[in-house]
Amino acid sequence: EADIYQTPRYLVIGTGKKITLECSQTMGHDKMYWYQQDPGMELHLIHYSYGVNSTEKGDLSSESTVSRIRTEHFPLTLESARPSHTSQYLCASSEMYETQYFGPGTRLLVL
Amino acid sequence: KQEVTQIPAALSVPEGENLVLNCSFTDSAIYNLQWFRQDPGKGLTSLLLIQSSQREQTSGRLNASLDKSSGRSTLYIAASQPGDSATYLCAVKTDSWGKLQFGAGTQVVVTP
Repeated sequence: EADIYQTPRYLVIGTGKKITLECSQTMGHDKMYWYQQDPGMELHLIHYSYGVNSTEKGDLSSESTVSRIRTEHFPLTLESARPSHTSQYLCASSEMYETQYFGPGTRLLVL
Repeated sequence: KQEVTQIPAALSVPEGENLVLNCSFTDSAIYNLQWFRQDPGKGLTSLLLIQSSQREQTSGRLNASLDKSSGRSTLYIAASQPGDSATYLCAVKTDSWGKLQFGAGTQVVVTP
């Protein structure tokens, strides 16, 4: 079992609040990813990172931002949450050419 | 733009039957194809990874085939069990860096 963690698992928050979703992995993987998944729909890549100080936007436009100051840590931040941000957010990591390992996800509900 | 389709969207079978899950993709220029399992409210668990040069991969009761030229992959699960109930997702690796394009998944229910 891969060691990748996400907190919180569930979050209910009001519109306009700033939130940070945490993602950490203990495998020393250089590559990390954030996906967004709505119920019954495919995963969409919203951010990825090659390594420390590297961040790129994914295929799906997102108002969130990410940072990669340490290899093991890849937090995602929403400066001002809106109901349209309600979704499940999945973090993953991988080595070069290897399969991606996923965390358990964060279910976000913005009221 | 690569599109990945999984049909059917949902499937229900009695315990003991073999499961056949289909995945199709529009652009055959892929690096690999992966099958994942997702349980309700949880993340994804990797099941099998097939490199573009391979035709199939096997792990226990699971067997996945890849026909890159026709843009198809099939996941076979032999002698299904209630514990196999989950959503199964396929994803293709579309560039050398590692970006994946996912299908929407097939939700499987195995009834006792």
